[in-house]
Amino acid sequence: NAGVTQTPKFRVLKTGQSMTLLCAQDMNHEYMYWYRQDPGMGLRLIHYSVGEGTTAKGEVPDGYNVSRLKKQNFLLGLESAAPSQTSVYFCASKGLWAYEQYFGPGTRLTVT
Amino acid sequence: AQSVTQLDSHVSVSEGTPVLLRCNYSSSYSPSLFWYVQHPNKGLQLLLKYTSAATLVKGINGFEAEFKKSETSFHLTKPSAHMSDAAEYFCVVSAAADRGSTLGRLYFGRGTQLTVWP
Repeated sequence: NAGVTQTPKFRVLKTGQSMTLLCAQDMNHEYMYWYRQDPGMGLRLIHYSVGEGTTAKGEVPDGYNVSRLKKQNFLLGLESAAPSQTSVYFCASKGLWAYEQYFGPGTRLTVT
Repeated sequence: AQSVTQLDSHVSVSEGTPVLLRCNYSSSYSPSLFWYVQHPNKGLQLLLKYTSAATLVKGINGFEAEFKKSETSFHLTKPSAHMSDAAEYFCVVSAAADRGSTLGRLYFGRGTQLTVWP
């Protein structure tokens, strides 16, 4: 049981480039979330999904897009990367009747 | 609205001494509260959770936390620190009024870095 996995683990982009981060969970969870972590800020919610085919904006959605075409996968896209998007990105998932979220290992993204 | 304040950004203790990490919360609903731990370059691991059952909650690795509604606090404690406890700790609140809805969103504190000296 892998839990929540994220691909890739590290990435360096130039300003203006695009990329997609993949999150996969094997726990059959309905809810999935994307967060970013910046020093001294805790984790902030970017987008989330309450089920296959549905997405919603979180606290800091600007500059990001998401898709949930399959229940087990949640993709985070950056169409035109900016240095302000340098961060560590975490994906999480939650069962429908659960309280707690389970987190992936993170993706460290640097935009130069 | 939900929010969390972690009162200390850094805490240093000697190995074998007690640990206290302080957290105050604000919630419009009956809250669920969590403590997560993050070791360097790792993801977040759930230490313990409060979900309106017993107010004293025991977690993994000897940690526990007490929910005090009158003080809106959820402080994390451990009787004796170990070197392996050195990590960043996050206090987290969720609105638990409706577990099956988007109110399951988590709101994170800014974290407390725990250093353990030998």
